[in-house]
Amino acid sequence: QKEVEQDPGPLSVPEGAIVSLNCTYSNSAFQYFMWYRQYSRKGPELLMYTYSSGNKEDGRFTAQVDKSSKYISLFIRDSQPSDSATYLCAMSAPYGQNFVFGPGTRLSVLP
Amino acid sequence: NAGVTQTPKFQVLKTGQSMTLQCAQDMNHEYMSWYRQDPGMGLRLIHYSVGAGITDQGEVPNGYNVSRSTTEDFPLRLLSAAPSQTSVYFCASRASANVLTFGAGSRLTVL
Repeated sequence: QKEVEQDPGPLSVPEGAIVSLNCTYSNSAFQYFMWYRQYSRKGPELLMYTYSSGNKEDGRFTAQVDKSSKYISLFIRDSQPSDSATYLCAMSAPYGQNFVFGPGTRLSVLP
Repeated sequence: NAGVTQTPKFQVLKTGQSMTLQCAQDMNHEYMSWYRQDPGMGLRLIHYSVGAGITDQGEVPNGYNVSRSTTEDFPLRLLSAAPSQTSVYFCASRASANVLTFGAGSRLTVL
């Protein structure tokens, strides 16, 4: 079993839809959870950062962490064509030097 | 403020050749790292450094060398390139927060 699992997609949705992206993980030591967005042929850029469990909202984006289920989610409301990208989840443990990444979910938002 | 700068953007090598991927950051970050990104595999840590003169291995270090003589620069050396090293390479640095800032990537093909 991989340490972080993520459905690779591709996921296609119409403009304006609510998008749900998810990752599961196996290491209970993870405390820091991140979502990165990566446009084609670009480097990943940080989208959301969450510590421990709970929700965090930033504009159209909401990140949720459920540590009891080892499950994290990213919701995108009112999705736009500019949201078309690959979304990578990442996580790390306290004092850890390694961030573990999911393989990424490729999202297309159709006008 | 350029962030993390990687050169070259593209490179084609023959099996057995050596080369160096350059990485520089102007954010005065102590922590720097190299990842490779392969389809379906996510980002995997090759080597990292927590400061000048200090380096350590990540998940997939074989075939790669690094050094850190200054805070700004963290080059990645391929000693004898193999087709299995065909990948996209990302350099990333980290400030005090548990967040990585990535470069734009270096796309390497080994024939």
